[in-house]
Amino acid sequence: NAGVTQTPKFQVLKTGQSMTLQCAQDMNHNSMYWYRQDPGMGLRLIYYSASEGTTDKGEVPNGYNVSRLNKREFSLRLESAAPSQTSVYFCASRPGQGTLQPQHFGDGTRLSIL
Amino acid sequence: DQQVKQNSPSLSVQEGRISILNCDYTNSMFDYFLWYKKYPAEGPTFLISISSIKDKNEDGRFTVFLNKSAKHLSLHIVPSQPGDSAVYFCAVSGTGNQFYFGTGTSLTVIP
Repeated sequence: NAGVTQTPKFQVLKTGQSMTLQCAQDMNHNSMYWYRQDPGMGLRLIYYSASEGTTDKGEVPNGYNVSRLNKREFSLRLESAAPSQTSVYFCASRPGQGTLQPQHFGDGTRLSIL
Repeated sequence: DQQVKQNSPSLSVQEGRISILNCDYTNSMFDYFLWYKKYPAEGPTFLISISSIKDKNEDGRFTVFLNKSAKHLSLHIVPSQPGDSAVYFCAVSGTGNQFYFGTGTSLTVIP
C-alpha cells in the first residue's frame, strides 16, 4: 500500500535551475497539497488542489507553480530555483473538501539549492 | 502571522509518565483539530483528531483535549513509551480546504 509517493527523495540544484517535484497518490483522494518544512517554521502550505482541475495558492506560493495532472498526480515546479527554496517538501492528500478527514503525507523531497 | 503556535520546542519525559503537548490557535472559526507525529526522514503521520463539537477524544494511550474558549488544544500520552519519541505537530482547519500547522514539539521519552 503505497499511499502518497514523492520523487525524487533528494535533489541538489544550482541557483537558476528549474525542477519539478512529483507526487502521486493511490487512495482515490480528491484533494492534494504541497507544503514546505523549514527549521522552526513548521509546515507551510505552498499550493493545494481541492479537486481535479482546480488549484489554489497557499501561504507561500511565490516562486512555485503547480499542475494537477489528473486525480492521482500533483506536481510542484520551481522555474528558477533560489537558495531560499532550500527546504524539505511534503505532498499530502485527503478524501475531499468538507470532510473531517486527515491528510496523508509522503516521505518528502529534500531539496538543496546552491 | 502564525495561526497556530506550539510554544514548547522540546519536551523530555520519563518512560511510563504522562506527556502533555500544547497548542494554541488564533481563529475561533477553526473547527477541526489534529495531531500528527513525525519521525526523522519520514512524512508526518496522523495520530488523532477532534472536531469543535467535542472537548475530548481518546484513542488508546492518546487523548486530545479542546478548550474552545481558550483556543487551546492539548495532547496527552499515557503512559509514554520510548517509541513515542518524535516531533509532534498540531494542525487546525476551518470550513475551507486549508490546514495550518504549528512549529512542532520534539518529544523525548527517556527509558
